[in-house]
Amino acid sequence: NAGVTQTPKFQVLKTGQSMTLQCAQDMNHNSMYWYRQDPGMGLRLIYYSASEGTTDKGEVPNGYNVSRLNKREFSLRLESAAPSQTSVYFCASSSLGRGTRTDTQYFGPGTRLTVL
Amino acid sequence: GQQVMQIPQYQHVQEGEDFTTYCNSSTTLSNIQWYKQRPGGHPVFLIQLVKSGEVKKQKRLTFQFGEAKKNSSLHITATQTTDVGTYFCAVRGSQGNLIFGKGTKLSVKP
Repeated sequence: NAGVTQTPKFQVLKTGQSMTLQCAQDMNHNSMYWYRQDPGMGLRLIYYSASEGTTDKGEVPNGYNVSRLNKREFSLRLESAAPSQTSVYFCASSSLGRGTRTDTQYFGPGTRLTVL
Repeated sequence: GQQVMQIPQYQHVQEGEDFTTYCNSSTTLSNIQWYKQRPGGHPVFLIQLVKSGEVKKQKRLTFQFGEAKKNSSLHITATQTTDVGTYFCAVRGSQGNLIFGKGTKLSVKP
């Protein structure tokens, strides 16, 4: 099992460009998450999807959109990138479903994004 | 919303010294998780604590959950260079997602 995979690993964008970060998991998990990590800020939740077909905003959703394409895949889109979105982006998944207890989150390797 | 404070933000130790990081919440927690992130890597789950006063050990790592379930600590005995990284605690948010502390970055001088 590959666990959680993310593409690309690195990306450089110019201000105003758009891009989609891809995430897939092969653990049959219900829930998937997108975080951004900035120095001194820890991990901040952007969006999450508790189950296929549902998405919810996290702590810092502005400037991002997500799509839960199917149970395996959860993508994050930047429509018009800004320098403030320079960060490391992590996708994670867990077996947590609605009404269940928190479960372990498994993280992908991350995407290092720079917006010039 | 739910928040968790983690201290210290940074800790520099000599190899062989002990290390402790603390997480504190203003509200009672249902459980708390701990993660480790190596430099350049991604967070990896270490452990989950559920019971009041719970103490769990993993080799040189000791995890404690406070009696009131409002605080937790991770203690490393006799640090090694392999312990380098950032340690995060994480608690459950109101919508079932995890809320992470800002982490304690540990550096170990050989």
